[in-house]
Amino acid sequence: SQQGEEDPQALSIQEGENATMNCSYKTSINNLQWYRQNSGRGLVHLILIRSNEREKHSGRLRVTLDTSKKSSSLLITASRAADTASYFCAGSQGDYKLSFGAGTTVTVRA
Amino acid sequence: KAGVTQTPRYLIKTRGQQVTLSCSPISGHRSVSWYQQTPGQGLQFLFEYFSETQRNKGNFPGRFSGRQFSNSRSEMNVSTLELGDSALYLCASSRGTGGVDTQYFGPGTRLTVL
Repeated sequence: SQQGEEDPQALSIQEGENATMNCSYKTSINNLQWYRQNSGRGLVHLILIRSNEREKHSGRLRVTLDTSKKSSSLLITASRAADTASYFCAGSQGDYKLSFGAGTTVTVRA
Repeated sequence: KAGVTQTPRYLIKTRGQQVTLSCSPISGHRSVSWYQQTPGQGLQFLFEYFSETQRNKGNFPGRFSGRQFSNSRSEMNVSTLELGDSALYLCASSRGTGGVDTQYFGPGTRLTVL
């Protein structure tokens, strides 16, 4: 079963705009990780946020975590064409298995 | 530092055959995890090996098996292939166990079962 569920499933934005996607998970997690995948290739790790953290930044990325609501959000600011990809959240459960959601497909229009 | 490599990159098999996929982790990484990605089911966890021991296993039938060697390289085997096994198989390595440390993914092996 999938731990993370991303919302929306798809997102289309203009270059320069911000993109926000959300992830909800079902059970307690040790940490939550966000990954990016370009067109059927391998996944690239973006950010890992631990269960005792509320917010993390990395370049144009900002991730928040609300353990009381079992949700996380990923914000990409000033989007570029190269940000076109699928984004996945993955929750690490008690036994440290990573469980991925179905992903949000982001299309950045020039 | 070389990334995670997977061989072969593409594979075509017929139903009933078996297949072995290989994954070489980043040097110094002791954990290798395997995932199956399909359009319908998304990314599903298969299993994780850490220091040659299977540490975690997903909900896949016994036809799916794996192993890890002393140099941390890992192989995944699927026996008696079914059409539904057609997928992108991704492996990922990490320094510690996958759920704690950042996982670095390989490019994947795309398996087509005819």
